[in-house]
Amino acid sequence: EVQLVESGGGLVQPGRSLRLSCAASGFSFGAFAMHWVRQVPGKGLEWVSGISWNSGSIGYADSVKGRFTISRDNVKNSLFLEMNSLRAEDTALYFCAKQIGDTWVGRISYFDFWGQGTLVTVSS
Amino acid sequence: DIQMTQSPSSLSASVGDRVTITCRASQSISNYLNWYQQKKGNAPKLLIYGASSLQRGVPSRFSGSGSGTDLTLTISSLQPEDFATYYCQQSYATPFTFGPGTKVDVK
Repeated sequence: EVQLVESGGGLVQPGRSLRLSCAASGFSFGAFAMHWVRQVPGKGLEWVSGISWNSGSIGYADSVKGRFTISRDNVKNSLFLEMNSLRAEDTALYFCAKQIGDTWVGRISYFDFWGQGTLVTVSS
Repeated sequence: DIQMTQSPSSLSASVGDRVTITCRASQSISNYLNWYQQKKGNAPKLLIYGASSLQRGVPSRFSGSGSGTDLTLTISSLQPEDFATYYCQQSYATPFTFGPGTKVDVK
């Protein structure tokens, strides 16, 4: 059974940093691209970042480019999101999502499994 | 960046109704369009990928159609468990973008 478990969320002051983790199990983690998607409570979904199976392709939303860094450890079956210079508008529930396929370049891609999310609150 | 819009933003319907939700992209995305359902307190669930392919395990009353800039999700006969919010998402190019959502509630 595929499982994605996010952790690392919490309350943080503006300008500070936070590192999110996503522990994956039940599938060959190293063979699939992975993504982070966030959702302000009561609002819509926003794609944050994605990383291909070998970290060769990485993408970011304009709203986080230069502040957030996605990475993965295929030995430890884990996905990470390093978030720096946090702002109030980064407050959201952050989901980890598994993509079908190893990359999104040149192919139809979609998120077939999602975690339950970890809440990040940026406030003084 | 590719902008996605959805219409309507909300709709009220009854069990048994046929429901259609439209997603429009700011440029052609071919069939690089996915549909997700989200119920309150839960993670999104994939319904349709590649504009018209039904995800395994999803009831056949859900269908997707279209290509280019105008794509559609149809629920042929709304069931009680279908009251939820529906999002389209383009995977044609990063940054991947979602539509703002369509909330389907009880009439």
